[in-house]
Amino acid sequence: DTGVSQDPRHKITKRGQNVTFRCDPISEHNRLYWYRQTLGQGPEFLTYFQNEAQLEKSRLLSDRFSAERPKGSFSTLEIQRTEQGDSAMYLCASSLSAGKGQFFGPGTRLTVL
Amino acid sequence: DQQVKQNSPSLSVQEGRISILNCDYTNSMFDYFLWYKKYPAEGPTFLISISSIKDKNEDGRFTVFLNKSAKHLSLHIVPSQPGDSAVYFCAAEANFGNEKLTFGTGTRLTIIP
Repeated sequence: DTGVSQDPRHKITKRGQNVTFRCDPISEHNRLYWYRQTLGQGPEFLTYFQNEAQLEKSRLLSDRFSAERPKGSFSTLEIQRTEQGDSAMYLCASSLSAGKGQFFGPGTRLTVL
Repeated sequence: DQQVKQNSPSLSVQEGRISILNCDYTNSMFDYFLWYKKYPAEGPTFLISISSIKDKNEDGRFTVFLNKSAKHLSLHIVPSQPGDSAVYFCAAEANFGNEKLTFGTGTRLTIIP
């Protein structure tokens, strides 16, 4: 399978715990994006990388959220001190260049108890 | 502030007929528009896009129309097939290339056999 993959697909955690999600983009794509989707809403942009450079992070929801893409390949999204309001689907997407469409992974569903 | 609006949460269409999904936007800086389809437990799948310099783009059974003066776009699917049953999201990008997509809330399309 050469699509975008995300791991884990589901994560249940207790409030206050830290969680980390991984995204592996399509191999030749140098752009990688993170979105959050809550029930009844469309995906909400969080941040994006071009290669290893994080070009936009102002939309990260709070300083508890951080993302990395250390070698310009896979990326991780970390949420520290999780809160119940963080429960959502976290989507990763990648693209080859602007205007070519972003290709989404299946998402990681986070449930914070 | 919902900058991209899909006012119909759901739509049912008979197989073989035309499906028309609508989307309105408020931000006049949007200049690139995309439609995505989403099945349950999967990430959104890119369908078709249109630049603001065009008013129509066609790809097989899918055609997107853009009316800039009305800040309105629509997706036409003809003929509709059972596999088209999914949630459809409209998305927009300001300043083509900045890659921050703003999504609508989605329309659930059901094709009736």
